[in-house]
Amino acid sequence: DTAVSQTPKYLVTQMGNDKSIKCEQNLGHDTMYWYKQDSKKFLKIMFSYNNKELIINETVPNRFSPKSPDKAHLNLHINSLELGDSAVYFCASSQGTGALLSGNTIYFGEGSWLTVV
Amino acid sequence: TQLLEQSPQFLSIQEGENLTVYCNSSSVFSSLQWYRQEPGEGPVLLVTVVTGGEVKKLKRLTFQFGDARKDSSLHITAAQTGDTGLYLCAGRTDSNYQLIWGAGTKLIIKP
Repeated sequence: DTAVSQTPKYLVTQMGNDKSIKCEQNLGHDTMYWYKQDSKKFLKIMFSYNNKELIINETVPNRFSPKSPDKAHLNLHINSLELGDSAVYFCASSQGTGALLSGNTIYFGEGSWLTVV
Repeated sequence: TQLLEQSPQFLSIQEGENLTVYCNSSSVFSSLQWYRQEPGEGPVLLVTVVTGGEVKKLKRLTFQFGDARKDSSLHITAAQTGDTGLYLCAGRTDSNYQLIWGAGTKLIIKP
């Protein structure tokens, strides 16, 4: 069973469109994340939710809006897509937000490859 | 700004060779993790180190956390083609619980 699953895996869309990426984790974790990995492979956190509450909101355009209907789901909606939004978006989860110990591993999904044309 | 710098950015070697990649910072980290990301996949945790000077081994991979907890290294002995991937380090400081990521070392092991 996939621990962190996100859909779609590949998405090609035109500039100006609105799109959503869905994420679900079946690990029972209470913290979920969205990361963006650009063409240089640099992973940058965008948002983090703990028990459905937003706890990290990095400097991200407000065209990006996360939604967490429950602690097992964290969806990412993007309005008015721009060329620079092309990247791989990773959903992840962990148990808690505390010290980075072996028991607080971050588990990543397989990524959603977004291409804006 | 707290940064984790990884070097080299890219490394291509023959199967059977040894290699070391580095993760350096001017900041002190309370803990540091190494991940491997294969093409088309998300990062997967390899190890967590929390004590200065700590050495952990995972088969042919040896991870070391610097005495001052500002740097870490990953040494691979007798590299195999299956070791190919992007190796990312990530750390957390005492002052900021957010995870700080390096940009990764892209490793290619040629048969």
